[in-house]
Amino acid sequence: QKEVEQDPGPLSVPEGAIVSLNCTYSNSAFQYFMWYRQYSRKGPELLMYTYSSGNKEDGRFTAQVDKSSKYISLFIRDSQPSDSATYLCASDYNQGGKLIFGQGTELSVKP
Amino acid sequence: EAGVAQSPRYKIIEKRQSVAFWCNPISGHATLYWYQQILGQGPKLLIQFQNNGVVDDSQLPKDRFSAERLKGVDSTLKIQPAKLEDSAVYLCASSLDIRGSSPLHFGNGTRLTVT
Repeated sequence: QKEVEQDPGPLSVPEGAIVSLNCTYSNSAFQYFMWYRQYSRKGPELLMYTYSSGNKEDGRFTAQVDKSSKYISLFIRDSQPSDSATYLCASDYNQGGKLIFGQGTELSVKP
Repeated sequence: EAGVAQSPRYKIIEKRQSVAFWCNPISGHATLYWYQQILGQGPKLLIQFQNNGVVDDSQLPKDRFSAERLKGVDSTLKIQPAKLEDSAVYLCASSLDIRGSSPLHFGNGTRLTVT
């Protein structure tokens, strides 16, 4: 079993839709949870960052962590074509800053 | 703030040849990482440096891969000899320090094709 699992998609939605991206993880020692966005032929860029359980909102993006079910979510409201990218979830033990990534979900937002 | 710089952007080599990648992290970032991203997968950590010391190289194939960060700033990752399965994007990242609360910032990577 992979430590962080993510549905690879691809996921295609119309512009303006609400997008839900999800990951599960297996190790209860994970404390930090991140979402990275990766455009084609670019490096991952940090989108959202949360510690332990709870919600965090930043503009159109909301990250949610449920440690009881080991579930990580990213919601994108009013999705735009510029949101088309691969979204990577990642978790961290806080034992040296080593990130464990999911496989990534490819999202396409159609105009 | 300048980002993480990597070169070259692309490299094509034949199997059994050697190749080297270079990374210059964000100024002041003590921790540097090399990740390997195979097509369709998430990045996988190869090696982590804190200043010029190795923190974690447990997933580095040491029979063919080597990395150094001699002066605690820029870093070089080398593969010798390359295999077909080494075809991937090699991403360098840096963070202020080693704590999990210190987010990673990635460069745009070097795309390696081994033929």
